[in-house]
Amino acid sequence: EAQVTQNPRYLITVTGKKLTVTCSQNMNHEYMSWYRQDPGLGLRQIYYSMNVEVTDKGDVPEGYKVSRKEKRNFPLILESPSPNQTSLYFCASRTHRGPNTGELFFGEGSRLTVL
Amino acid sequence: GENVEQHPSTLSVQEGDSAVIKCTYSDSASNYFPWYKQELGKGPQLIIDIRSNVGEKKDQRIAVTLNKTAKHFSLHITETQPEDSAVYFCAASLGTGTASKLTFGTGTRLQVTL
Repeated sequence: EAQVTQNPRYLITVTGKKLTVTCSQNMNHEYMSWYRQDPGLGLRQIYYSMNVEVTDKGDVPEGYKVSRKEKRNFPLILESPSPNQTSLYFCASRTHRGPNTGELFFGEGSRLTVL
Repeated sequence: GENVEQHPSTLSVQEGDSAVIKCTYSDSASNYFPWYKQELGKGPQLIIDIRSNVGEKKDQRIAVTLNKTAKHFSLHITETQPEDSAVYFCAASLGTGTASKLTFGTGTRLQVTL
């Protein structure tokens, strides 16, 4: 089954404790991206990657890091989480090829609470 | 950069009625306009999209219209059913290629009541 898998789905942590949210897709997609969803603000892009070893900042990159060492994986790293990073996070992927290049496939989300 | 505004933020309709969600965008170069549906506890999923060479597109009970002059596009759901209850996001981008960036609206929570 084609899917984007995120882990963990739920996490409560404390300020300053480094954490990583993993994302993996099995569709051989070139493009992967992280979004955060906050009430009244919609989906805002944090970082994206157009292919292996190619990453770039989105609209709200402060406080986050990413890496793309393999095509299928795109982890989101919070080196020193702060309460303003409490949010619902989504990983998404899409292909650059074929007739459906526009469609983003989303994971089921990771709800993060930073105390 | 692109800015997408979406209205209303919440919408309640009775089962069987129609629902309309409206979006405006700022960059006249944008030419791809998808709509995503997010059910409770899940990630958003593409339900319909339209490209700027088309004014309207239908898929069963859902339709999207685009007015490029006004930089405005809308989602229309007819004969609403309880399973249509969800959060809907509009989005806009310039193309769908390698470097294209999708900008999302702030979402509309649709509730279909019995």
